[in-house]
Amino acid sequence: ETGVTQTPRHLVMGMTNKKSLKCEQHLGHNAMYWYKQSAKKPLELMFVYNFKEQTENNSVPSRFSPECPNSSHLFLHLHTLQPEDSALYLCASSQWRASGNEQFFGPGTRLTVL
Amino acid sequence: AQSVTQLDSQVPVFEEAPVELRCNYSSSVPPYLFWYVQNPNQGLQLLLKYTTGATLVKGINGFEAEFNKSQTSFHLRKPSVHISDTAEYFCAVGNNFNKFYFGSGTKLNVKP
Repeated sequence: ETGVTQTPRHLVMGMTNKKSLKCEQHLGHNAMYWYKQSAKKPLELMFVYNFKEQTENNSVPSRFSPECPNSSHLFLHLHTLQPEDSALYLCASSQWRASGNEQFFGPGTRLTVL
Repeated sequence: AQSVTQLDSQVPVFEEAPVELRCNYSSSVPPYLFWYVQNPNQGLQLLLKYTTGATLVKGINGFEAEFNKSQTSFHLRKPSVHISDTAEYFCAVGNNFNKFYFGSGTKLNVKP
């Protein structure tokens, strides 16, 4: 595997379900990010992790719970979601504080909440 | 504070015609500027970036962009587009703390 991978690619869940999204980066980076992409809205940064430590939580509801066990893996645990949480969830990685370094994105998980 | 404005939500263009996608930014510090492309149900792929130095930046797939400090712009251009360039394009500004601010995107529709 190369780059940034995300599983599953598609997920349909009910409002009472609990599920997790997984992201893995094979680039040797030390920073990882979760973004939410909804139709007709700019990308919304949700969480930032630097060397496994959370450095940013962009006022995300507690029904989204991130976990970063090491610099290569990032999870987003989901529970009691709402239909408006349906979106494409993108994971990205980069080198932390390396000026001008781009973020590399995974293919995303398309989430549908019924 | 930093922000990005992409004025055009959709740009239709015929194949082999030139195209320009507009991006204006706001930044209190020297910006790092990026253009990404996204195909349906895919992640974002970097087209090009500006950090320092030459203001004209060349990227992949024949795209280029020019950093204009006085106009706070970073417009993306391609002299001749192909059907395969149909996608959504995002401009972003980044800072030393790895935080990116994305524009709302421009959908490029290349017609035969």
